[in-house]
Amino acid sequence: NAGVTQTPKFQVLKTGQSMTLQCAQDMNHNSMYWYRQDPGMGLRLIYYSASEGTTDKGEVPNGYNVSRLNKREFSLRLESAAPSQTSVYFCASSEFGGSNQPQHFGDGTRLSIL
Amino acid sequence: RKEVEQDPGPFNVPEGATVAFNCTYSNSASQSFFWYRQDCRKEPKLLMSVYSSGNEDGRFTAQLNRASQYISLLIRDSKLSDSATYLCVVNLYNFNKFYFGSGTKLNVKP
Repeated sequence: NAGVTQTPKFQVLKTGQSMTLQCAQDMNHNSMYWYRQDPGMGLRLIYYSASEGTTDKGEVPNGYNVSRLNKREFSLRLESAAPSQTSVYFCASSEFGGSNQPQHFGDGTRLSIL
Repeated sequence: RKEVEQDPGPFNVPEGATVAFNCTYSNSASQSFFWYRQDCRKEPKLLMSVYSSGNEDGRFTAQLNRASQYISLLIRDSKLSDSATYLCVVNLYNFNKFYFGSGTKLNVKP
């Protein structure tokens, strides 16, 4: 019962480096999401993918790119990391459509950019 | 205007107390409603869905008022382990987007 798996769990980068955060879900969900959460703040949506083959910008997409590799996997890429991107990143998935289909979250990637 | 608004708290209550949180949402087309619990720097975890007729799960009761566009969460007989941040979430499932409140922090004290 893995649910949503994120890798890595922790990462330290230098300004200007690039990296990809990986997310995979085994619940056969259509929709996947990337959020960031800064200290004392709520979740902010970066990008989401309503279904395989589609991606859309969320509230704070600048500095990020995403790839919906297949139904299971949704990756988030930082092309040139900046200190402002230091945050906790959560991936989530949900079924598409219908009522009362909640999101399920991975346990997060804690990213520090120096 | 934010899609979902919550009182950030903190609510400081003694063990055994009853505490209630409200959350208001701005989009009348919102279709699904949830309460999540988040412990410090951990992932949000689903506490309960909120149904139109209201629903209960043990010590937790959720209510929905569509006319006034708010949902509530009542916690009875508070435990120390209930200390967390409670997130209100609404969903427009035609667009499959979820809107999160900033959370209400609860501290249950001995």
